[in-house]
Amino acid sequence: DVVMTQTPLSLSVTPGQPASISCKSSQSLLHSGGKAYSYWYLQKPGQPPQLLIYEASYRFSGVPDRFNGSGSGTDFTLKISRVEAEDVGVYYCMQSIQSRYTFGQGTKLEIK
Amino acid sequence: QVQLVQSGAEVKKPGSSVKVSCKASGDTFSSSTISWVRQAPGQGLEWMGGIIPNFGTPNYAQKFQGRVTISADESTTTAFMELSSLRSEDTAVYYCARDFPGYYNYGLDVWGQGTTVTVSS
Repeated sequence: DVVMTQTPLSLSVTPGQPASISCKSSQSLLHSGGKAYSYWYLQKPGQPPQLLIYEASYRFSGVPDRFNGSGSGTDFTLKISRVEAEDVGVYYCMQSIQSRYTFGQGTKLEIK
Repeated sequence: QVQLVQSGAEVKKPGSSVKVSCKASGDTFSSSTISWVRQAPGQGLEWMGGIIPNFGTPNYAQKFQGRVTISADESTTTAFMELSSLRSEDTAVYYCARDFPGYYNYGLDVWGQGTTVTVSS
């Protein structure tokens, strides 16, 4: 199975400052069609995960433009340009390259 | 707007089985992949397996092979996840989630509200 490794596992950020999370996969997530099967989710306390980014860099409907995804192959990054209080929660990367999904360990974001 | 509504919380004895349902609204059920993801208390997300109702053949994570059965009923647009030989480590919130094939791959874009399963003697 594809292993997804996230860093860091926790972040403490002052509102208005940027944040960045990295995710490395154990094999390439580039599909033969040229798309990267990499995703980012935010799980707020007591809620199911919500999709932020699909295909590595596309913002899902309704996601604020301060969230940006990038990367290809095995290295992916989620950046929040200016963290807001509502961004607290746990961020997960996920892959689906082999029709079997695996998640990163999660990165807990808190506000200073 | 697709919604996934799951059955209610369950308390089970070790060694027993649990069956959780996930009812989908909307007309994309049969061609979507419905996955089951669990989350133990304070832990991360773990994919258990999935099924495309149109095809009917489930796909399981190796960890759960032999202990989980995922099925779907197209007539009621409901997916099911049954986990047997329950142990305390299976105490978790179980989510169903949808992956709908299309030009864009959204991954698991719609999630159920979660079903808490507690395994305790």
